[in-house]
Amino acid sequence: ILNVEQSPQSLHVQEGDSTNFTCSFPSSNFYALHWYRWETAKSPEALFVMTLNGDEKKKGRISATLNTKEGYSYLYIKGSQPEDSATYLCASPGVDSSYKLIFGSGTRLLVRP
Amino acid sequence: DSGVTQTPKHLITATGQRVTLRCSPRSGDLSVYWYQQSLDQGLQFLIQYYNGEERAKGNILERFSAQQFPDLHSELNLSSLELGDSALYFCASSVDVAHSLGEQFFGPGTRLTVL
Repeated sequence: ILNVEQSPQSLHVQEGDSTNFTCSFPSSNFYALHWYRWETAKSPEALFVMTLNGDEKKKGRISATLNTKEGYSYLYIKGSQPEDSATYLCASPGVDSSYKLIFGSGTRLLVRP
Repeated sequence: DSGVTQTPKHLITATGQRVTLRCSPRSGDLSVYWYQQSLDQGLQFLIQYYNGEERAKGNILERFSAQQFPDLHSELNLSSLELGDSALYFCASSVDVAHSLGEQFFGPGTRLTVL
């Protein structure tokens, strides 16, 4: 994988459902994996920066895991609420320069009340 | 509020013109990043500055240039504007940590419309 890829592209869930989505990134020369939350009409906001294989981070109902050997991270949202509706972006440093973040195209989550 | 400020918020201009977008990073952050988000495109990295020096460059067009000043604010200059340059331009800043280990704080963005 040369780019950062996210799936699914969009997701519609009902309030109270738990959900998860995937980020795939180049596993060679891995440094960090970022997750950002981007609400409509706002700017991206950092959720997590993960660096260690097997790392698991949690912020409220949102958690993320990291597998650097196979190059993927999962973001989980437990008991989704309408205010969780946003685009979730992951990003990893480029293979040619670790100073530039390559963003995935995002997973757009819509939580219906 | 991330602490990163960007001006102007909106900019409408004509093809062929030149504009300057301005960004002030969070207090204490030495690294500034510029991103472009065009319609139906993800966030595209343009360029990064650290303490006044260019550190990394993405697919930034030759018509675009940037700089970071001694007070750490940064400007992105876009010249000979084309319709396709219409986009949302974000600035972000971070505590400088090697290999992108530091989270980035994004400004509110400047929406550029080229008519």
